[in-house]
Amino acid sequence: NAGVTQTPKFRVLKTGQSMTLLCAQDMNHEYMYWYRQDPGMGLRLIHYSVGEGTTAKGEVPDGYNVSRLKKQNFLLGLESAAPSQTSVYFCASSRMGQATSGANVLTFGAGSRLTVL
Amino acid sequence: KQEVTQIPAALSVPEGENLVLNCSFTDSAIYNLQWFRQDPGKGLTSLLLIQSSQREQTSGRLNASLDKSSGRSTLYIAASQPGDSATYLCAASGSARQLTFGSGTQLTVLP
Repeated sequence: NAGVTQTPKFRVLKTGQSMTLLCAQDMNHEYMYWYRQDPGMGLRLIHYSVGEGTTAKGEVPDGYNVSRLKKQNFLLGLESAAPSQTSVYFCASSRMGQATSGANVLTFGAGSRLTVL
Repeated sequence: KQEVTQIPAALSVPEGENLVLNCSFTDSAIYNLQWFRQDPGKGLTSLLLIQSSQREQTSGRLNASLDKSSGRSTLYIAASQPGDSATYLCAASGSARQLTFGSGTQLTVLP
């Protein structure tokens, strides 16, 4: 009954350091997403994946890279962290894409809070 | 580009009151409209999903409506309880094939 699991939950980085956030889902979902949430703003899509081995840019992709080598995992990387990347990051997954007409609920992880000093 | 707006940003009501949360979107060519609940320090939990062909969805004390022509959705909460206190976000899937989120309405239900 795990759903979507994100690690780590908290991380503090110095400017210029690199790190990877891991997202794992056990629902056999095809689609996975990385969002960031900043105070007073809605969630903004960073990158997403429509299946194993695929990735695509979202609304705010600059400064981030992603990989989906296995269907159940979606990694978000910061190569050179900047203070502007201080945020809460959410991973989500769904059985189908949001442009389909069938019911397609998003399942979210608990979030990863990143602070860049 | 799809834009989603939620007004008000915060709302306080006494326990037992019925309330309506509002969501508006600019691109009426949506595939679905979703409502989520977010508790402090937690992820989002899906509450209701309305397909573009539907007018409303109900789950327990919650009822969500969708009016594509006017670009509006409402979330009705009946007989509110302190446990309903959370931030409620709506999200619309538009022509960009992605979900666009509003910034949320922070609801406080006072005992």
